[in-house]
Amino acid sequence: AQSVTQLGSHVSVSEGALVLLRCNYSSSVPPYLFWYVQYPNQGLQLLLKYTTGATLVKGINGFEAEFKKSETSFHLTKPSAHMSDAAEYFCAVSAGSSGSARQLTFGSGTQLTVLP
Amino acid sequence: KAGVTQTPRYLIKTRGQQVTLSCSPISGHRSVSWYQQTPGQGLQFLFEYFSETQRNKGNFPGRFSGRQFSNSRSEMNVSTLELGDSALYLCASTSSASGGLSSYNEQFFGPGTRLTVL
Repeated sequence: AQSVTQLGSHVSVSEGALVLLRCNYSSSVPPYLFWYVQYPNQGLQLLLKYTTGATLVKGINGFEAEFKKSETSFHLTKPSAHMSDAAEYFCAVSAGSSGSARQLTFGSGTQLTVLP
Repeated sequence: KAGVTQTPRYLIKTRGQQVTLSCSPISGHRSVSWYQQTPGQGLQFLFEYFSETQRNKGNFPGRFSGRQFSNSRSEMNVSTLELGDSALYLCASTSSASGGLSSYNEQFFGPGTRLTVL
């Protein structure tokens, strides 16, 4: 079974400041990990994913995340926030290479506010 | 390439009624998954279909059902609607046929259908 915990349901940063959204996971098998972004009245867009290989993953819009197995974490960062980054962000895990790899388990989401 | 299409975008029903939602995946994608999003429970997996067969199912009552057609379009049905079924229902498509280590492909999500049960 998999589970995801996102620390902080709301995060506010100033424009130009570092963005750090926290995600910890639990998985009984080697996990696949994902970050999605959701803008109002829209579906989910994949920012980045970790499956295997390099633990530092770069995604779209300047975001990156590092898979730390020892800490069971997959935190999302961006060096400099932009107003357009304001949205809700979801961390998700799937059961790796098992047959249910497309069954995503999502965290509760973090609403990012970017202040001018 | 057109994205995932969901119809209708908004729907209002009353308790006890049934509803059918439709999802058209990206052309060439054969797997369709459904998720329910609510403020209280967040995003929860409903089921996944591939080649007209349900491959995975989440922890939802039997009132929630789905199917997939030969053209990969999918529908989900909710019978005997309850107030708690009010949610955003998201559909996602992927081209991957298997869940193997090297074959995972991105799930592309549609804009969702907002269902309100009165």
